[in-house]
Amino acid sequence: AQSVAQPEDQVNVAEGNPLTVKCTYSVSGNPYLFWYVQYPNRGLQFLLKYITGDNLVKGSYGFEAEFNKSQTSFHLKKPSALVSDSALYFCAVRVVRPTSGTYKYIFGTGTRLKVLA
Amino acid sequence: SAVISQKPSRDICQRGTSLTIQCQVDSQVTMMFWYRQQPGQSLTLIATANQGSEATYESGFVIDKFPISRPNLTFSTLTVSNMSPEDSSIYLCSVVTLTYNEQFFGPGTRLTVL
Repeated sequence: AQSVAQPEDQVNVAEGNPLTVKCTYSVSGNPYLFWYVQYPNRGLQFLLKYITGDNLVKGSYGFEAEFNKSQTSFHLKKPSALVSDSALYFCAVRVVRPTSGTYKYIFGTGTRLKVLA
Repeated sequence: SAVISQKPSRDICQRGTSLTIQCQVDSQVTMMFWYRQQPGQSLTLIATANQGSEATYESGFVIDKFPISRPNLTFSTLTVSNMSPEDSSIYLCSVVTLTYNEQFFGPGTRLTVL
C-alpha cells in the first residue's frame, strides 16, 4: 500500500542547533513529496516540495529537505532552529488512484517540533 | 498561491442535525479536497470534490453522510449529515491550483456536536 511515515511523534531541539524531522515513503513510481507546517490554531502552510531535479530542495522560512531515493526518505532540515519554528509538521505524498488515474495526497501522522530557548 | 475561505469558521450543533460548510477559492483550481482533522492529529481525506460530477469518496466515508457539491471551479460545499458527537472535528478544504503542484488549505471549520 502507498503510504508515508513520520517515525517521531515529537522532536526537541535547542535554539540555534540544526534540526531534522524524518519522513519515509512507500509509493509506486516517482514520488511527489511535500512538507507542511501547522502552527497552533492555524491552518496548514506549504513549506516545500520535491517533484524532480535536485535532491536538495529549499523552501520557506529557511527550511530544506533532502530527497533520498535509495532510502525512500524526504527528511526536513534547518541549519539553525528558532523558537518560532515550534509547530506541527506534516510530510505528504501525492499518489495516483490506480482505478481512475486521478490523484490524492496522503499525509503522515505529523511530528511536533519543540525548539527550546 | 490561492486564497481560500471557509464558512462557518466554527459551529456548535445538536445531535441529529446537519451542517453545510462552504469553501470558496479566489482562482480557478484543478482539484478540491475535503479533509477531517482532530486537533493536533493528522489529516484524513474524506473525498475529492469533482466539478460537475459526483465526488470521489475514500474508504469509510459515504455520500449519504457527507454529501459534496462542486458546481464550478472555485466553490464547493461539504454537508455533515445526521451529526453525532463523533463528527466533532476540524474540517478542511484544500485546493490544487492550475499552475502549481502543491495544495493550499483553507482555515478550517471547527465543528462541535453536542
